[in-house]
Amino acid sequence: AQTVTQSQPEMSVQEAETVTLSCTYDTSESDYYLFWYKQPPSRQMILVIRQEAYKQQNATENRFSVNFQKAAKSFSLKISDSQLGDAAMYFCAYRSTLEYGNKLVFGAGTILRVKS
Amino acid sequence: DAGITQSPRHKVTETGTPVTLRCHQTENHRYMYWYRQDPGHGLRLIHYSYGVKDTDKGEVSDGYSVSRSKTEDFLLTLESATSSQTSVYFCALAGGSTYEQYFGPGTRLTVT
Repeated sequence: AQTVTQSQPEMSVQEAETVTLSCTYDTSESDYYLFWYKQPPSRQMILVIRQEAYKQQNATENRFSVNFQKAAKSFSLKISDSQLGDAAMYFCAYRSTLEYGNKLVFGAGTILRVKS
Repeated sequence: DAGITQSPRHKVTETGTPVTLRCHQTENHRYMYWYRQDPGHGLRLIHYSYGVKDTDKGEVSDGYSVSRSKTEDFLLTLESATSSQTSVYFCALAGGSTYEQYFGPGTRLTVT
């Protein structure tokens, strides 16, 4: 079974600066999807970015980008020009392309605090 | 996402009582999921559905059952609630060409 590990329970960043959240995963598959979800205090889960394993190019969505290192099984999220609204819990998630059901496996999450 | 709702949003119940949580969608998506969120564990899959009357177990299915009698509704039932089932429960949908999952607002369940 696949596992996802987020080794940073909490991170802090100054407003306007850059922060990187770490995620590693374990799988024997060669094709899969990886995601970052944001959960603000409202509790709503919001999809931030996704990466397809067969694509070498790192995904980018505005101020959010990933560093996908397939051989190292690493998938970090970089947030540039941090804003107060970025404060949230961030979850890394894995989705197999072989297992039926399009199920997600989540990491434990990282709390991001943004200081003004 | 306005296309997915959960009810109730909050519930307090006593140990041993049955509880049913409802997930309703207006997106006509095939896949629906129930997760629970607990500190230190992220979200863990309880059950999922891949069509009407088609369901399967997830990682933490013990003590839970589900039903899907129509496309738009996916019910999660705790037959006899226990304190270990105190949690936040999320429903999610997946469909379209990418099967990305979109989540409902969550239900906070407290079992006393």
